[in-house]
Amino acid sequence: QVQVVESGGGVVQPGRSLRLSCAASGFTFSSYPMHWVRRAPGKGLEWLAVILSDERKVFYADSVKGRFTISRDNSKNTLYLQMNNLRAEDAAVYYCVKEDDGFDIWGQGTMVTVSS
Amino acid sequence: QAGLTQPPSVSKDLRQTATLTCTGNSNNVGNEGAAWLQQHQGHPPKLLSYRNNNRPSGISERFSASRSGNTASLTITGLQPEDEGDYYCSAWDSTLSAWVFGGGTKLTVL
Repeated sequence: QVQVVESGGGVVQPGRSLRLSCAASGFTFSSYPMHWVRRAPGKGLEWLAVILSDERKVFYADSVKGRFTISRDNSKNTLYLQMNNLRAEDAAVYYCVKEDDGFDIWGQGTMVTVSS
Repeated sequence: QAGLTQPPSVSKDLRQTATLTCTGNSNNVGNEGAAWLQQHQGHPPKLLSYRNNNRPSGISERFSASRSGNTASLTITGLQPEDEGDYYCSAWDSTLSAWVFGGGTKLTVL
């Protein structure tokens, strides 16, 4: 069964850091670009970052560039999102997404709350 | 980053046809086309179509996508209650080197 499962969300104070993980299974993880997408309460989907299959090429949305870092460990079939200097507006459900002709596989999401 | 433009809401009667639109520019929708996703409350999004009118396996033929210039459209025929939800378009923007989403359209089936 092809699936991705996020973890690592929680409550964090403004200015602090958090690292999200995404465990992939059921497909050849190393062959596909992987993304992080979020949805804040009352808002729409927002694309955050993508890392290509070779682990080297990455792209970011302007809203997180310089604060968030996407990475992957193909030996562990795991995707990461390191989030630094978190702000109130970063509160959202964060989704890990596999790309194969579109965003074809989504996780259930992990919630991040930024609050003092 | 400039996103794609979608109408915030569309309401249609049961068994009727709804057409949702998504407007971008020549660097995104007009370049590589758009993908469409559906999201129900409390669930992750689901891919409905990619690169304009390619449906993943398991997606009903009632959903069809197209593109004209810089505007992508998703047509849903024979509306059912389960079609209610939020619909998003997305596209790769070659100038921004980033993916962009539309703001989403909330579809209500009356």
